[in-house]
This record gives sequence, structure tokens and C-alpha cells, in this order.
Amino acid sequence: EVQLLESGGGLVQPGGSLRLSCAASGFTFSSYAMNWVRQAPGKGLEWVSTISGSGGSAYYADSVKGRFTISRDNSKDTLYLQMNSLRAEDTAVYYCAEGVGVWGQGTLVIVSS
Amino acid sequence: DIVMTQTPLSSPVTLGQPASISCRSSQSLVHSDGNTYLNWLQQRPGQPPRLLIYKISNRFSGVPDRFSGSGAGTDFTLKISRVEAEDVGVYYCTQATQLPYTFGQGTKLEIK
Repeated sequence: EVQLLESGGGLVQPGGSLRLSCAASGFTFSSYAMNWVRQAPGKGLEWVSTISGSGGSAYYADSVKGRFTISRDNSKDTLYLQMNSLRAEDTAVYYCAEGVGVWGQGTLVIVSS
Repeated sequence: DIVMTQTPLSSPVTLGQPASISCRSSQSLVHSDGNTYLNWLQQRPGQPPRLLIYKISNRFSGVPDRFSGSGAGTDFTLKISRVEAEDVGVYYCTQATQLPYTFGQGTKLEIK
């Protein structure tokens, strides 16, 4: 069964950092580009970042460029999102997704003092 | 950035009746490879999004055949032939033709 499981969310103060992880199983992880998509409370979906299967290419939304870093460890079938200089407006459920076909359950990030 | 505009934003529907959601993109979604990466997602309350339709009209694995997609270029439609109670939720169109990937605002499907 294809599965994605996010972890690492929590409460962090403005200006702080957090690292999200997404463990993949049931498919050849290294063959697929992976995405992070977020959803602020009561709001719609917002694409955050994409990384190629090899990890050699990464793309970011303007809203997170320079603050967030996407990476992957294909030996561990795991996707990461390093989030620095967090702001209140980064508060959201963060989903990892393989394309748009497979989604994790999400992990909640709350940025608040 | 490609702007995705959905109508309506709310759709009260009677059980067993059809429903239709429109999605318009601010520019053509035809990729240089000839494909049109317009997808439809369903998000039930308290659940992550789930892929229903990919590349305009292809039903994803396990999606009931009462869901169908159509359209071309900049205008797309999701249709539910007979709404069931489990269809309640928010529906999003999304494009993966050009970065940044973008989503419509979402259409809330409710039972009348």
C-alpha cells in the first residue's frame, strides 16, 4: 500500500525553526518528484515546494523562498522540509504529496508566541 | 502565476441529483509536452485531499464512475452524475502545468 506519513509539526515561536519529515512506503520513492502543500486553518490549499526524484532540482513558492528548504534522502525514502524564520502566516497543516495522487495525513504547524 | 477560478464557491445539492463545478485558468494549461495537467481533488471534512481526476478527464484509482471531468485549454468542469452523502466536502481544481502549481479557491458541496 502506498503511504506517506508526515511528522515534526508543533508549536513554535515567531522567528523559530522546525523540520518536517515525510516517510514514504509502497512505491519507488526515488522515481518521483515530491511536493509540500499547506493549508491554513479554514483556508484553501497552497503549494509550498517541489523536489525532483534525484533531489537535484527544487522549487519554492515566493512566500517561503529563502526561508524553507526542501530535501530528500532516497536511501531512507524520506522527504524533509526545513522551515526557518517562521512567521504567524506559516501556521497551517503541511501535507507531503507524490504529485497529486498520494497525500499524507498532514502535520500541523502553529507559529505563535 | 496561473490563477484558477472556480464557480460556484458553494453548491447545495439534493441527494441523487447531479452537480457541476467549473474551473477557469488565467492562461492555457496545455503543457509543451502536449498534456494538460488539470486535476480535481476532493477534501472531505477533517481529511487530507484526495485525487479524483487527473489530466482533465482520467479517473484516479478507486474513484466512482459518477465523477467525470471535461474541458480543454482554460475551461474545465467536474460533474457528479448523482450526488451521494459521502460526496460532501470541498472540491479543488489544480494545475500542474507550470510552476508555481496553483489551486482554485475550492467549492463546498453540501446536501440540501
